Amino acid sequence: AQKVTQAQTEISVVEKEDVTLDCVYETRDTTYYLFWYKQPPSGELVFLIRRNSFDEQNEISGRYSWNFQKSTSSFNFTITASQVVDSAVYFCALSEARGGRRALTFGSGTRLQVQP
Amino acid sequence: SQTIHQWPATLVQPVGSPLSLECTVEGTSNPNLYWYRQAAGRGLQLLFYSVGIGQISSEVPQNLSASRPQDRQFILSSKKLLLSDSGFYLCAWSSGGPYGYTFGSGTRLTVV
Repeated sequence: AQKVTQAQTEISVVEKEDVTLDCVYETRDTTYYLFWYKQPPSGELVFLIRRNSFDEQNEISGRYSWNFQKSTSSFNFTITASQVVDSAVYFCALSEARGGRRALTFGSGTRLQVQP
Repeated sequence: SQTIHQWPATLVQPVGSPLSLECTVEGTSNPNLYWYRQAAGRGLQLLFYSVGIGQISSEVPQNLSASRPQDRQFILSSKKLLLSDSGFYLCAWSSGGPYGYTFGSGTRLTVV
């Protein structure tokens, strides 16, 4: 069975601080995909990134960066120079690569509050 | 381009009343469709998924059911709502591969 753990329930930082959101996953599949989504107060899920299990290159997109380490089954997300608009709940998720279901298994989310 | 519509946005229903939430997808054919629920302050739990018309798989036993009467229509229903059915319901679609999942804007259901 697949499992995603986001141990940090809530994080509060002051604007311009860097913050890292942790994600640890479990799967028996050798091929899988990992995702990060942002959920602002309005509720919709905003896609941030997808990474397949064979691509361990770290990725940077503006102030966002992701560190995928297969050896520790972690896919952490760092926001550099945080802003108030980054305040949201962030979800890490895992998807099967084969089979008809291919649904996302979500972590419980980390609520990030960025104070001005 | 593909779009997903979900309605209503908010709903307040009394205990014991029926429920029908609708989700439609445009711009694609034969999508995988999903219903997720998010209880207050919790993560998203997969309720149902469908890989084709009339094909529904349930992930957890519950008071809800789902149907897919048309290729791009996915309906979540209940005959009698419980207080525990309150939550934020999200519909999603994917092309069948784990390459991307698009979510609807959600329905916030409060059962009173």
